[in-house]
Amino acid sequence: AQTVTQSQPEMSVQEAETVTLSCTYDTSESDYYLFWYKQPPSRQMILVIRQEAYKQQNATENRFSVNFQKAAKSFSLKISDSQLGDAAMYFCAYRSARYSGGGADGLTFGKGTHLIIQP
Amino acid sequence: AAGVIQSPRHLIKEKRETATLKCYPIPRHDTVYWYQQGPGQDPQFLISFYEKMQSDKGSIPDRFSAQQFSDYHSELNMSSLELGDSALYFCASSLWGFTEAFFGQGTRLTVV
Repeated sequence: AQTVTQSQPEMSVQEAETVTLSCTYDTSESDYYLFWYKQPPSRQMILVIRQEAYKQQNATENRFSVNFQKAAKSFSLKISDSQLGDAAMYFCAYRSARYSGGGADGLTFGKGTHLIIQP
Repeated sequence: AAGVIQSPRHLIKEKRETATLKCYPIPRHDTVYWYQQGPGQDPQFLISFYEKMQSDKGSIPDRFSAQQFSDYHSELNMSSLELGDSALYFCASSLWGFTEAFFGQGTRLTVV
């Protein structure tokens, strides 16, 4: 079974600075997807960014980017120019490519990192 | 834009009672997924459906059942409720085979 580990229960960053959230995973599969989800106080799960394992290029979405190291099984999220609205719980998630449904099929989540933005 | 709608948003039930949670996917989305998130926990995959057929199954208890209807909405039925079933239940939807899914705001179930 796959496992996802987020070693930082809580992170704090000053507004406008950059912060990196760590995520490692364990799998014997070669084909899979990785995601970062944001869960603000409203509790809704919002997709921040995704990465296909077969792609070497790191995904980027505006101020959010990832550092995907397949051999090291590492998938960190970098948030640049942090904003107050970025304050939330961030979950790293893994999905095996064997889940044919795609989307949110069979996601394995980490325990989450609580990100605090200091004004 | 229309999002995933879950109802009710909050539900309080007593032990051993039955609860039904509903999920209305984004229009034209044919796949729904259910997740359970206990207090302070990460979400756990329960079950998914595509075109009214069960697609995949996770850690769903035998006391729970779910189905997807012809209009693609889905219902999660939970019987013989236990205190440990208190959690936030998420539904998500997507088009079959697409990577991106969208989550609803969840139903908070409290069992007393």
